[in-house]
Parts: sequence; structure tokens; C-alpha cells
Amino acid sequence: GAGVSQTPSNKVTEKGKYVELRCDPISGHTALYWYRQSLGQGPEFLIYFQGTGAADDSGLPNDRFFAVRPEGSVSTLKIQRTERGDSAMYLCASRQTGTDYNEQFFGPGTRLTVL
Amino acid sequence: DAKTTQPNSMESNEEEPVHLPCNHSTISGTDYIHWYRQLPSQGPEYVIHGLTSNVNNRMASLAIAEDRKSSTLILHRATLRDAAVYYCILRRGAGGTSYGKLTFGQGTILTVHP
Repeated sequence: GAGVSQTPSNKVTEKGKYVELRCDPISGHTALYWYRQSLGQGPEFLIYFQGTGAADDSGLPNDRFFAVRPEGSVSTLKIQRTERGDSAMYLCASRQTGTDYNEQFFGPGTRLTVL
Repeated sequence: DAKTTQPNSMESNEEEPVHLPCNHSTISGTDYIHWYRQLPSQGPEYVIHGLTSNVNNRMASLAIAEDRKSSTLILHRATLRDAAVYYCILRRGAGGTSYGKLTFGQGTILTVHP
């Protein structure tokens, strides 16, 4: 079946611009996560959605970052006034809840480059 | 979150077993031990997880020390496709608002030689 998809795969933007990154989770997965990965580092948690609501947004670095999941499926990560330090791979993952089994399925990521 | 410690890198030859260690001396009773791996230019993928008992699946085996302060991921016969960064992660058990949140460290870079 279809896995987690993310679009675009690559995004190049200029400092100060606004960007949106999209994540399509596996159908039926109610839990959705965003992570950010800098070169040579492990992924870093940003935000967790359970259904439509953000259950934990403690990883968002500042108020320029915002994420939504209005219908409980597709999620969009929005970054305002981008800075060069925002350049990274942005990963999305989804998980089926209701059991203790907690495998997260990751998408291929969106590589964001801020010039 | 409890921390894990892994070697920065390890090397193996193809067709040989690989034992990837992980120390987690501050693990709590409800923490699950998860292993994910990340192949080049891909998102992480789940490998295996356990709580107290050793676990086996089609990809690997997980050996957990009796005191749970360490664990070892075992790849029984390494292939070139197993070359990846392997992450050992402690995931808090059920309950709380961060259920399922994964805290990645630096991981172990596994190189497999033909």
C-alpha cells in the first residue's frame, strides 16, 4: 500500500520568504509527527498531532513555525520569514494508534534550502 | 527523556553478523527500547522494539540486558543494503501527551564491506 508521502521533495527559497511543506500520512493513521534533521544529526521532534489537534508542539523552535491538520489526514508545516538556519530535511511520520505497537512510518522528507 | 549512548561508527563484512550496542543506564520501567535505521537519502525506518524480553523479527534480533541498562541490535547476516545509520531510542510507554514521540540521538553509522 501507499506509504507516507511528502511534497515537494526539494524546496529552495530565499531568506524572508514563506514556505509550506505537505505531508500525506498513511490512510487511517491518526497520529502524525513532524521532525527536522540537520546534516549529520538525528531527526529532531517538532510537533505531534492526534487527529486534528496538536497534542504536543513543544519542539517547534519559535513562532515562525506552525503546522495544521484540519481534517485529521493531510498536514502542512508552515514556516514564515524563513532564515538560513531553517535549512534542513523536514520529515513527516504517521502511526496507527489504538494499540501499544508504536511503529512510526516515515516519509522521504522535504529538503528545504534557504538562500 | 532518558538518554542512549551508541558508538559513532562500526564496520562489518558482508554475510557476517553485526552486534550494535546501546547503553541506556537511566531507562525507566515504562520505557520501550526502539531501533530505527536510516538508509542514505531516505527517512528512518522501524527495525525492532522491545520492553524486557529479547525479540526477533524478519529484520533483526534485539537482546535486552536483564537490568535493561543496555541492549544490542543483532543483524544476523549483514548485507550491503544494511549500510545505514542505526538509532537506539527510548520511547515512553502509554499515557501522557507525547505518547509515541521519538527522541533520536546521533546513532551508529554502520559500514558494510563487500
